[in-house]
Amino acid sequence: DVKVTQSSRYLVKRTGEKVFLECVQDMDHENMFWYRQDPGLGLRLIYFSYDVKMKEKGDIPEGYSVSREKKERFSLILESASTNQTSMYLCASSTYTRQNIQYFGAGTRLSVL
Amino acid sequence: DQQVKQNSPSLSVQEGRISILNCDYTNSMFDYFLWYKKYPAEGPTFLISISSIKDKNEDGRFTVFLNKSAKHLSLHIVPSQPGDSAVYFCAPLTSYGKLTFGQGTILTVHP
Repeated sequence: DVKVTQSSRYLVKRTGEKVFLECVQDMDHENMFWYRQDPGLGLRLIYFSYDVKMKEKGDIPEGYSVSREKKERFSLILESASTNQTSMYLCASSTYTRQNIQYFGAGTRLSVL
Repeated sequence: DQQVKQNSPSLSVQEGRISILNCDYTNSMFDYFLWYKKYPAEGPTFLISISSIKDKNEDGRFTVFLNKSAKHLSLHIVPSQPGDSAVYFCAPLTSYGKLTFGQGTILTVHP
């Protein structure tokens, strides 16, 4: 079974803080993704990575950065957290198949006060 | 510019009946269409998919239909069970392995 683990289920931070969200997968997947989920908007892609040290912007990268120093770990960084970044953050991983099924972690509920 | 639309935010169905969830898209280049299911406090899980070269795929109680000319797909659940109550996302796959998610439909199956 694929396991994608996100380091925190709930996080409360203050405006202006630097925030790190960590994600680890145990299936040696090449691809990793960060999404945020907001009511009525579905899942929106923030950043993704096809390989170690590679990163690509998704649909809403502003205010975020990422780091992938090891294949199994993909970190999302909020350089200076703002209240509009309060959301559910979901990490996913996949390998190269025709369907490219992505496997998700349980999510991190981030509140920025 | 929303490429994927699930126009019904919610759907309520009686146990044992059919649930039909709909999804419309605008991009003709999607290669595969995936459906994900999400329970509260859990990540989405893959449910079923269909290739763009097919018009139907069936897996147990779940069937997905694709109408390419109408750029429309639907997920049928028969018979619906209370455990099917969840949020369902339509997610077409691009050629670069990216998924584009719809807004989701909240399905409630009443006993």
